[in-house]
Amino acid sequence: DAKTTQPPSMDCAEGRAANLPCNHSTISGNEYVYWYRQIHSQGPQYIIHGLKNNETNEMASLIITEDRKSSTLILPHATLRDTAVYYCIVRGADSWGKLQFGAGTQVVVTP
Amino acid sequence: EAQVTQNPRYLITVTGKKLTVTCSQNMNHEYMSWYRQDPGLGLRQIYYSMNVEVTDKGDVPEGYKVSRKEKRNFPLILESPSPNQTSLYFCASSLRVGWARGTKNIQYFGAGTRLSVL
Repeated sequence: DAKTTQPPSMDCAEGRAANLPCNHSTISGNEYVYWYRQIHSQGPQYIIHGLKNNETNEMASLIITEDRKSSTLILPHATLRDTAVYYCIVRGADSWGKLQFGAGTQVVVTP
Repeated sequence: EAQVTQNPRYLITVTGKKLTVTCSQNMNHEYMSWYRQDPGLGLRQIYYSMNVEVTDKGDVPEGYKVSRKEKRNFPLILESPSPNQTSLYFCASSLRVGWARGTKNIQYFGAGTRLSVL
């Protein structure tokens, strides 16, 4: 699975969009980009995933660049409950098993 | 509701007293796994199971045992706990899926078990 790079932390004002970047320059053609988050000491929670097209669900949007070397997770209207560590993980579609969590991005949403 | 259930949520014990942390999932998932999370070290996999009666070591298996007698249950056993096993533990499960367009290789995690070994 390709390595990812994320900023260690970022702040966001409540009600504003939070844009979380992730670099994955060594991603290969069959690897997906997954996002999970972990609210303080709770179990990690799946947010969204994508291959090359932009994706949206009830939690977030995922924008993947055309060359697939980077992506951005967008929380459209951040709330205080979105304060968490966000993990960007790249893995093949036929990969399963251990998730390789990096350090992630600590997002703090402020009133 | 799809969920992974761990028990207990909190546990304080003493060195050497055997304990079991239970994990159960209701999604008919083949794959189950245990992680531990420690400050500065992130999430590390302890053991995993690809299906009933099939288990294997993860990155940090020393001091732990597991069993998979039923598909839904995957207990973590500490035969002789030591203080260095004080940690936050998570159980996870997922489908074991192969290549398919739009495959959702999603892992579902339990709420966690905070263990303190004195």
